[in-house]
Order: sequence, then structure tokens, then C-alpha cells
Amino acid sequence: EAQVTQNPRYLITVTGKKLTVTCSQNMNHEYMSWYRQDPGLGLRQIYYSMNVEVTDKGDVPEGYKVSRKEKRNFPLILESPSPNQTSLYFCASSFGMGAGELFFGEGSRLTVL
Amino acid sequence: AQTVTQSQPEMSVQEAETVTLSCTYDTSESDYYLFWYKQPPSRQMILVIRQEAYKQQNATENRFSVNFQKAAKSFSLKISDSQLGDAAMYFCAYGGGSNYKLTFGKGTLLTVNP
Repeated sequence: EAQVTQNPRYLITVTGKKLTVTCSQNMNHEYMSWYRQDPGLGLRQIYYSMNVEVTDKGDVPEGYKVSRKEKRNFPLILESPSPNQTSLYFCASSFGMGAGELFFGEGSRLTVL
Repeated sequence: AQTVTQSQPEMSVQEAETVTLSCTYDTSESDYYLFWYKQPPSRQMILVIRQEAYKQQNATENRFSVNFQKAAKSFSLKISDSQLGDAAMYFCAYGGGSNYKLTFGKGTLLTVNP
């Protein structure tokens, strides 16, 4: 089954404790991206990757890191989480620019105390 | 920078009736995509319908159709014969540019009344 898989789905952590949200897709997509969703703000792009070893900032990259060592994986790293990073996070992928639809993971609910 | 505006934070419709959700966008590009995504309580983002800007014909998917007005930069979603399962948050999104970012509106919460 074609899918984007995120883990963990739910996480409660404390300020400053490094965490990683994994993302994996099995559709051989070139393009992957991370979004965060906050009430009243819609979804905002954090980082994206056009291909392996090629990543760039989105609209709200502060406090986040990413890496793209393999085509299928695109982890999101919070080196020192803060309460303002409490949010719902989505990983998404597509075949690439101009290819149309983004396929989303099921979301990861992160709470930073 | 592209912006997407959904002017209706909440809408409601009676079961079996028709409802239209509004979306406007701002862009200087000529080639782009527009999407409507549905987010039910499960939080999954589900593609409802998409429209390529170069196509004049409005997209249709079963009970869902769009009214795409390129000159007016308007992209509304019409849901016909509304069903209880249509209740969800609906996001309009614009896709284009060199980084293929999707820019989302803030969403419209649709309630379907039995």
C-alpha cells in the first residue's frame, strides 16, 4: 500500500529534550516536506527536500533540522524543543515539482511541556 | 509570496443540500495547481479535488466540483448532496513555484446537520 509513515504519532516531552520525528515513504517520491498545523493558522511549511542531500527552509524553519540521506526517509529533528513547538506535524511527499498532489502522513501530535 | 484566503471560518449545511466553500489566492505565476483537502476528526489530510491552472475546464470528482476563475483568482468548492461524512475541516491550497510548496488557507470547518 502506498503510504507516508510518521512516528511517533503522539509524543509528550519536556523543554530541551532532543527528539526526532521519523518519516518514510514507499512511493519512490523525489520530493518530501514537513508542515506544522496550528489552530487558526492552517498548515505552514517547515522544510522541504527536492531530492537526496538537497534540503531547504520553508516558512517556519526556526528550531528545526532535517536530513535526507536516503530517498525514502526525511526525519524532522528538534534539537532543543520549546513549548511554542507544540503542534501537529505532517510529513508529505510527491513525485516532484509540477507533479500535483502531495501525499500526507497521518500526523504527529507533539506536546512540549 | 503567494497567499490563500478562506473567508468562511465555519459553514453549515443540511444533509442532502448543496454548499459552496470559498477560496481566493494571490500569485504572480501563470502555471500552478490548486487543491482542496479535507481533514476529518481523524486528522488525516485527504485530497478532495485538484485543478491545474492551465485547464479551463472546472474539475469534478463525483459530488465535489470547483468553480475556477483564473482572472479573479478564485477557487470555490461545491459539495452537492451533502452527507454526514462530509463534515470536516476543508483547506484550500495553492501549489507552484520552484520549491513546489503548498500554501494553505486557514481552513473552513464544515458541519453537516441531519
